[in-house]
Amino acid sequence: AQKVTQAQTEISVVEKEDVTLDCVYETRDTTYYLFWYKQPPSGELVFLIRRNSFDEQNEISGRYSWNFQKSTSSFNFTITASQVVDSAVYFCALMDSNYQLIWGAGTKLIIKP
Amino acid sequence: ETGVTQTPRHLVMGMTNKKSLKCEQHLGHNAMYWYKQSAKKPLELMFVYNFKEQTENNSVPSRFSPECPNSSHLFLHLHTLQPEDSALYLCASSRERVGETQYFGPGTRLLVL
Repeated sequence: AQKVTQAQTEISVVEKEDVTLDCVYETRDTTYYLFWYKQPPSGELVFLIRRNSFDEQNEISGRYSWNFQKSTSSFNFTITASQVVDSAVYFCALMDSNYQLIWGAGTKLIIKP
Repeated sequence: ETGVTQTPRHLVMGMTNKKSLKCEQHLGHNAMYWYKQSAKKPLELMFVYNFKEQTENNSVPSRFSPECPNSSHLFLHLHTLQPEDSALYLCASSRERVGETQYFGPGTRLLVL
């Protein structure tokens, strides 16, 4: 069965700390896509990254970085030097062979000043 | 970024009312989606339109009626809703239905009294 697990329900850190959000997925497909979205309190889901199953290169975008490891079926997201504006709910999602998005439950990230 | 817009942002309606949610995308995409996000539940895909044709209806009750007059506009007509239909309704679009990133609007927060 296709599944995405975000085991961390809520994380709270102090500003400027680094924080890693975990995402573990299950799929039998050999071709699939993984996504991260950010949902601030306003409600909009903001696209952060898309990664296909054949591209295991880690990605860095400013303070954000992603670590994709097929061996452990994980696609973790790290924010370096966190800021208050990073406070949001972060969702990891898997696009399966039917092109449906399977969503994790989300991790609520609280950055305290 | 105003690629996908939704109106209204907030809506309160009685169970006997009829209302409509509107979504417009300015990205030149061909696929559009309605999602429901309830508290404590993963995002639920409701409907998918590809090139104005409905391609998926995920067992959504008939009190929700979608309409897609063209590739840029998507409506969700609501009638005789139940209190459990209160949720955040998100619209999304993607360039194609298959394997593409979905971009979301800000959502409509619906409260059914």
